[in-house]
Amino acid sequence: KAGVTQTPRYLIKTRGQQVTLSCSPISGHRSVSWYQQTPGQGLQFLFEYFSETQRNKGNFPGRFSGRQFSNSRSEMNVSTLELGDSALYLCASSLGQGAPYEQYFGPGTRLTVT
Amino acid sequence: GQQVMQIPQYQHVQEGEDFTTYCNSSTTLSNIQWYKQRPGGHPVFLIQLVKSGEVKKQKRLTFQFGEAKKNSSLHITATQTTDVGTYFCAGLNNDMRFGAGTRLTVKP
Repeated sequence: KAGVTQTPRYLIKTRGQQVTLSCSPISGHRSVSWYQQTPGQGLQFLFEYFSETQRNKGNFPGRFSGRQFSNSRSEMNVSTLELGDSALYLCASSLGQGAPYEQYFGPGTRLTVT
Repeated sequence: GQQVMQIPQYQHVQEGEDFTTYCNSSTTLSNIQWYKQRPGGHPVFLIQLVKSGEVKKQKRLTFQFGEAKKNSSLHITATQTTDVGTYFCAGLNNDMRFGAGTRLTVKP
């Protein structure tokens, strides 16, 4: 079974631009969560989608948004990029929402904002 | 809001020594999960604890969930160089909150 895939793997953008990241979960997984990982802040929860609906949201500004499609694939969008948005963005899929489901992480998208 | 604190931030050990990382939550958790992230890699699920006072073992790794379901620990016996990486706990209440992680380095 193929793992979680994320595209692109690396991205360089300039301040003020917007970016869209994509995540394809493991086949059969219906929940997708997004995380931001930085050296200083660790893994920060962005949001979770299940059955095309956002179920939970972390403490990030409205510039961060996402969506999930009927095939469970998910995208996240960051508008008006800031230097502080430079990070590794990880998505994780699971069979269902919340407990007791373990999460399977993708390799991440490394975003650099200049 | 829910906070998950993890200590220590770093731990450097000699191969063969033991290692422990601790997680504490400000609120009672539904469950807690542990993940390992190798340098340059992504987090990989290790285990999930659900019951109060639960103890689970995986070879040299021992995981505990506190009686109040607000703290947890991961203990590695006789570390090996393959244990190198960052260990994260993740507590679930309304959403999944990760601890900051403990970066383990092992000197051969």
